[in-house]
Amino acid sequence: GENVEQHPSTLSVQEGDSAVIKCTYSDSASNYFPWYKQELGKGPQLIIDIRSNVGEKKDQRIAVTLNKTAKHFSLHITETQPEDSAVYFCAAIPLGTYKYIFGTGTRLKVLA
Amino acid sequence: EAGVVQSPRYKIIEKKQPVAFWCNPISGHNTLYWYLQNLGQGPELLIRYENEEAVDDSQLPKDRFSAERLKGVDSTLKIQPAELGDSAVYLCASSPQGVGELFFGEGSRLTVL
Repeated sequence: GENVEQHPSTLSVQEGDSAVIKCTYSDSASNYFPWYKQELGKGPQLIIDIRSNVGEKKDQRIAVTLNKTAKHFSLHITETQPEDSAVYFCAAIPLGTYKYIFGTGTRLKVLA
Repeated sequence: EAGVVQSPRYKIIEKKQPVAFWCNPISGHNTLYWYLQNLGQGPELLIRYENEEAVDDSQLPKDRFSAERLKGVDSTLKIQPAELGDSAVYLCASSPQGVGELFFGEGSRLTVL
């Protein structure tokens, strides 16, 4: 069945450094790729998303890149801050479905 | 604008007892989802509603889980009887029509003893 692999499971960076989280999906029909941030005790919150007709999208310190040929997409956070510390989830949604397939999450720690 | 509201936030019960979770989605959102989130894992879909119709319940363990969305607004998720393995966070999410952003509630954390 559909599957999304996410790496790494944990990531520690120094404040001000960049963080990169990678996801690989199995269903080539996937065409929508959101990223969610989940803080402790809260529900996931969308931070950025990309659709398959573009290769890159940027929003201030956050960017997402998509390689449809290789079936992988990545989240890039630049100039990390302590408030970026959270668990990040990627997801892939096949065309014509509402099946959000989530990755297993990456716990990001930004060290001050 | 109020977000997705879930209650209770926390529930501790003994196995074989029943439990119910309630969700109030964002006003105007036709699509409502219930997700299960185990510790250290991503959310997994239990059921999706379009208005009052359950259009995808293929992942809902129907022997013990049930859900309803009366009048296409609020929804309840019930477990009866609960098992130890049901301990998890139950997330409700809503979205406008079409594939896009999911708006999640804060979740209901269930502990089954």
